[in-house]
Amino acid sequence: EVQLVESGGGLVQPGGSLRLSCAASGFTFSSYWMSWVRQAPGKGLEWVANIKQDGSEKYYVDSVKGRFTISRDNAKNSLYLQMNSLRAEDTAVYYCAKVTIPDSWSGFDYWGQGTLVTVSS
Amino acid sequence: EIVMTQSPATLSVSPGERATLSCRASQSVSSNLAWYQQKPGQAPRLLIYGASTRATGIPARFSGSGSGTEFTLTISSLQSEDFAVYYCQQYNNPFTFGPGTKVDIK
Repeated sequence: EVQLVESGGGLVQPGGSLRLSCAASGFTFSSYWMSWVRQAPGKGLEWVANIKQDGSEKYYVDSVKGRFTISRDNAKNSLYLQMNSLRAEDTAVYYCAKVTIPDSWSGFDYWGQGTLVTVSS
Repeated sequence: EIVMTQSPATLSVSPGERATLSCRASQSVSSNLAWYQQKPGQAPRLLIYGASTRATGIPARFSGSGSGTEFTLTISSLQSEDFAVYYCQQYNNPFTFGPGTKVDIK
């Protein structure tokens, strides 16, 4: 059974940092692009970042470029999101998501339960 | 950045009726388009990818069509469990979601 379990969310002050983790199991993690997607309270979905199987390619939404860094450790079947210089508008539930097709971009067929990040003083 | 728009914002439908949701991309995304269903407090659920391929376990009443910039999700006969918010997403360059269509009970 595929499982994605996020952790690391919490309350942080504006300008602060937080590192999210996603533990993956039940599939060959090293074969898939992985992504982070967020959802602000009461709002829609926003793709944040994705990373290639070997970590050699990374893409970010413009609003987080230079502040967030996506990474992965295939030996630990884990995905990470380092978030620096956090702003109030980064407040959201952050989901880890797996693409459907190996070695390709496609829809996200599995999602974690989400971890809430709240940026507030 | 490719901008996705969805219409209508809210669709009121009676159980058993057909629902047609639209999604438009600001530039061509070929067939690199997915549809998701999301219920309150839950993670999104993939319904369709490749514009028209149903994901594993998705009932046949859900169908997707379109290519380029115009896409449609059709729910042939709405069941009670289908009332939710539906998002389209392009994954051509790189990824963006539409704002969603809420399907509620008429």
